[in-house]
Amino acid sequence: DTGVSQDPRHKITKRGQNVTFRCDPISEHNRLYWYRQTLGQGPEFLTYFQNEAQLEKSRLLSDRFSAERPKGSFSTLEIQRTEQGDSAMYLCASSSGTYSNQPQHFGDGTRLSIL
Amino acid sequence: AQKITQTQPGMFVQEKEAVTLDCTYDTSDQSYGLFWYKQPSSGEMIFLIYQGSYDEQNATEGRYSLNFQKARKSANLVISASQLGDSAMYFCAMRELIQGAQKLVFGQGTRLTINP
Repeated sequence: DTGVSQDPRHKITKRGQNVTFRCDPISEHNRLYWYRQTLGQGPEFLTYFQNEAQLEKSRLLSDRFSAERPKGSFSTLEIQRTEQGDSAMYLCASSSGTYSNQPQHFGDGTRLSIL
Repeated sequence: AQKITQTQPGMFVQEKEAVTLDCTYDTSDQSYGLFWYKQPSSGEMIFLIYQGSYDEQNATEGRYSLNFQKARKSANLVISASQLGDSAMYFCAMRELIQGAQKLVFGQGTRLTINP
């Protein structure tokens, strides 16, 4: 049973650079979520996909952020012109969504550090 | 909007003792769900247990049980016979329905340390 996979695990970049993260959900899951977690806090919701459609975006997702899920499989999260405040752990989760008690299954996350 | 409060930033427990992690929530919804996740230092969020608002019994999963007190809006996690591997951050989360799916609203977490 393959879990949610995220790549890379760590990303260090200079302020102003663009970065892209990838998430591969559990294969039979049609729902995919992105969360951001800063140090000492719980994860905060960023965006949600059902199949290839992006159905919900948080106000945390400024216009520098864009997420895609082509063909309803893997997803990418891109941050343009990175800022110091973007330093965080970016977590991806997936679920089948069939029942309301279905948990979201999380990946190991991508830790982003902005120099 | 839903809100989750975890008032214990850190807990220290001796191995083999039971531990209770507190979680209170605020919602105006009649139907809701509560989740507990464990986050080891590696970063992955591991699902532990779920409690639905209409569930009559407290949820149990192995050494984990949920002390659900609806009137007090609390959903405390109880870990019995703690083990060294239980040392981690623990997050309580509530389901918020959006566009037919579930967005999770998390508390700030409790760092649990199990001492040998």
